[in-house]
Amino acid sequence: ILNVEQSPQSLHVQEGDSTNFTCSFPSSNFYALHWYRWETAKSPEALFVMTLNGDEKKKGRISATLNTKEGYSYLYIKGSQPEDSATYLCARGTGRRALTFGSGTRLQVQP
Amino acid sequence: DGGITQSPKYLFRKEGQNVTLSCEQNLNHDAMYWYRQDPGQGLRLIYYSQIVNDFQKGDIAEGYSVSREKKESFPLTVTSAQKNPTAFYLCASRTGDITEAFFGQGTRLTVV
Repeated sequence: ILNVEQSPQSLHVQEGDSTNFTCSFPSSNFYALHWYRWETAKSPEALFVMTLNGDEKKKGRISATLNTKEGYSYLYIKGSQPEDSATYLCARGTGRRALTFGSGTRLQVQP
Repeated sequence: DGGITQSPKYLFRKEGQNVTLSCEQNLNHDAMYWYRQDPGQGLRLIYYSQIVNDFQKGDIAEGYSVSREKKESFPLTVTSAQKNPTAFYLCASRTGDITEAFFGQGTRLTVV
């Protein structure tokens, strides 16, 4: 993996469904893996910053896991709600230089 | 309230003109970044600055210039050398190597 890759590109689910997205990244020179939620007409907001292999973080119905050895992270949303509709971005950090972003997963939750 | 302010929200540029996008933060963050987003693509890094009076090129710096004379401010100039400047531009800042980034609301630049 040379770049940060996210899948799927877009997802349509029904209210109440649980869903998950994948972020794959180069495992070398790893500092941190970030997840952001970007709602339409708003700024991206951080969900999680994870640094250690095996990290699991949770915020309400949203959780994330990290595997730095194989270079992937999963974001889970349990019981999706219409307000979860957004683009979810992951980004790999390599120190303070910059964050390298994936192209995002666009989630649409139908009521 | 602390945050990042980008202005203007919408900007129209004629062919051959330089335009400057403003980014100001009052979060006392050392590092600031400019990203560009095109339809269907992720955020691509244009320039970043880790400290006042210092900045580094990102992946797509050609046709852009920046300055960092104050900690709070990191303006981006889109020059006439940028062949396809129509895009959405996001400014961000953060304070440490493993800390989250904070973003402005973006500037949508259109060449007319």
